[in-house]
Amino acid sequence: SQTIHQWPATLVQPVGSPLSLECTVEGTSNPNLYWYRQAAGRGLQLLFYSVGIGQISSEVPQNLSASRPQDRQFILSSKKLLLSDSGFYLCAWSAEGGYTFGSGTRLTVV
Amino acid sequence: SQQGEEDPQALSIQEGENATMNCSYKTSINNLQWYRQNSGRGLVHLILIRSNEREKHSGRLRVTLDTSKKSSSLLITASRAADTASYFCATDALGGANSKLTFGKGITLSVRP
Repeated sequence: SQTIHQWPATLVQPVGSPLSLECTVEGTSNPNLYWYRQAAGRGLQLLFYSVGIGQISSEVPQNLSASRPQDRQFILSSKKLLLSDSGFYLCAWSAEGGYTFGSGTRLTVV
Repeated sequence: SQQGEEDPQALSIQEGENATMNCSYKTSINNLQWYRQNSGRGLVHLILIRSNEREKHSGRLRVTLDTSKKSSSLLITASRAADTASYFCATDALGGANSKLTFGKGITLSVRP
């Protein structure tokens, strides 16, 4: 069966520090992968999506970047975090019938 | 930018009652999906309805889609306290290999025991 793993669950980082969030998928090949961010009390905003290894599309200009070094691995990064990067980050993959989301990472930049 | 807009923003009902949530969108779609999110957790896919479908059922869930009005509704029948969560509609303009979901802000449903 297909599963998606996302870690860490929570993260507190100082302003200016780097970030690396990892997402891995099991049980599927060549999935579309997505990073979403959810601000408090808001809907989800699509940040990046990838249709294959090394293929990254950015939806909004920001302080973050994404990479897909392997078929089932999707990484969200930042060289220097801003306070505005705080939020709930969700990784997802898509298949016919809907998306499967990871359990999310709550990032607090202090 | 957000495509779907749900209403009401918050809904409080008694256990056993039906809950109806609405979603409107602006551009053409391939499909529309509803998700549920428990507090501080990831989203769980509930149901997908394609642009050529008008109604779909899954257990206690009933979803309708009116593409002429660009709107959808999610009905939860015989609600339970465990249905308390946030519900989001999301539209997919292209579907398939070009799938990208655009989410609304969500509806907070509280079911009182």
